[in-house]
Amino acid sequence: KQEVTQIPAALSVPEGENLVLNCSFTDSAIYNLQWFRQDPGKGLTSLLLIQSSQREQTSGRLNASLDKSSGRSTLYIAASQPGDSATYLCAVPYYGNNRLAFGKGNQVVVIP
Amino acid sequence: GAGVSQSPRYKVAKRGQDVALRCDPISGHVSLFWYQQALGQGPEFLTYFQNEAQLDKSGLPSDRFFAERPEGSVSTLKIQRTQQEDSAVYLCASSLGTGSSTDTQYFGPGTRLTVL
Repeated sequence: KQEVTQIPAALSVPEGENLVLNCSFTDSAIYNLQWFRQDPGKGLTSLLLIQSSQREQTSGRLNASLDKSSGRSTLYIAASQPGDSATYLCAVPYYGNNRLAFGKGNQVVVIP
Repeated sequence: GAGVSQSPRYKVAKRGQDVALRCDPISGHVSLFWYQQALGQGPEFLTYFQNEAQLDKSGLPSDRFFAERPEGSVSTLKIQRTQQEDSAVYLCASSLGTGSSTDTQYFGPGTRLTVL
């Protein structure tokens, strides 16, 4: 079974600093990798999906990289804002492209 | 609808009661998934449907858990004789079901189940 690890579990940064969130996975035979955002008491919002053939994907201040061979992905959030405070979850499909295996998340607090 | 909806949003049950959780996927989405998220953890896969067919139920923790999607749209997750360890957020997701590497799962807001 695919195991996903996210480091650090929690971090606090002052507003304006760049955020770097790490995700590692054990089985490199993946279709894609997704980063989600989860606000307290809410569902998951998809932020970025990187296909296995891609090295990175960008959306606004967010950039996600993928190194499939080493089983790692990094989510960069530039110039953090208090509204970026949330839990960020990394997920990869296993046994094909349906079931998702999630990490425990990176809980981020951006201090104004 | 515009997104995946789930009801109820919150459910409190006494130990031993049966509960039913509903999921309305995005219209036209073939695949539907259920996940269980314990406090402080990432979601864990429970079961998966393609249209009305339940293709994978390997994540269901016990035979007290049952899911159905009889007409290939709305799905219900039923938990019989609830136990305290069933307390969690139950998330539903749907996708187009193309199987391609760009097929994204869209999640509902979840149902928070508390078993007393």
